[in-house]
Amino acid sequence: AQKVTQAQTEISVVEKEDVTLDCVYETRDTTYYLFWYKQPPSGELVFLIRRNSFDEQNEISGRYSWNFQKSTSSFNFTITASQVVDSAVYFCALSDTSGGYQKVTFGIGTKLQVIP
Amino acid sequence: NAGVMQNPRHLVRRRGQEARLRCSPMKGHSHVYWYRQLPEEGLKFMVYLQKENIIDESGMPKERFSAEFPKEGPSILRIQQVVRGDSAAYFCASSEDRDNEQFFGPGTRLTVL
Repeated sequence: AQKVTQAQTEISVVEKEDVTLDCVYETRDTTYYLFWYKQPPSGELVFLIRRNSFDEQNEISGRYSWNFQKSTSSFNFTITASQVVDSAVYFCALSDTSGGYQKVTFGIGTKLQVIP
Repeated sequence: NAGVMQNPRHLVRRRGQEARLRCSPMKGHSHVYWYRQLPEEGLKFMVYLQKENIIDESGMPKERFSAEFPKEGPSILRIQQVVRGDSAAYFCASSEDRDNEQFFGPGTRLTVL
């Protein structure tokens, strides 16, 4: 069965600090996708990244970077030089075809507060 | 190409009333998924529909909840006789095919008074 664990429920950092959000997943599929979404206070889901299970290259997009480690089933997300606008709930998600279709399972989210 | 549309964005109902949530998938998408986000929680899968068919409803509460995706028109998530515990954000996603990426709508926030 699919499972996504985000052990950090809330994190507070001071502006300009770096912060890493942890994500550990479980799946029996060899082909799967991992996602990160941002949910600002307005409530919508903002797509950040999608990563294929066969692509373990780390990715950097501006101040955001992702570290995919298949050996530890982790897909961690780092924000460099955090800003107040980064304050939001961040969800890690896993999609595999164990149900015969791309079934998405979300973690419970990590609430990030960036203090000015 | 417009994204997934959901309406209304906010819905207030009194206990015992019915709530109807609409989801218009992206153009060319015939697969729709509904998720519920209870306060302070992550999104939980409810139901997966393809045009005119329910494929997987394993996440749907057994009573009062139903979903449809007719040949024409949006997908509808219907909650009868709402209770306070139904207050949540309901997200819809769509995909082109069952193996393709899901794109999420902005959500409908249901408040039951």
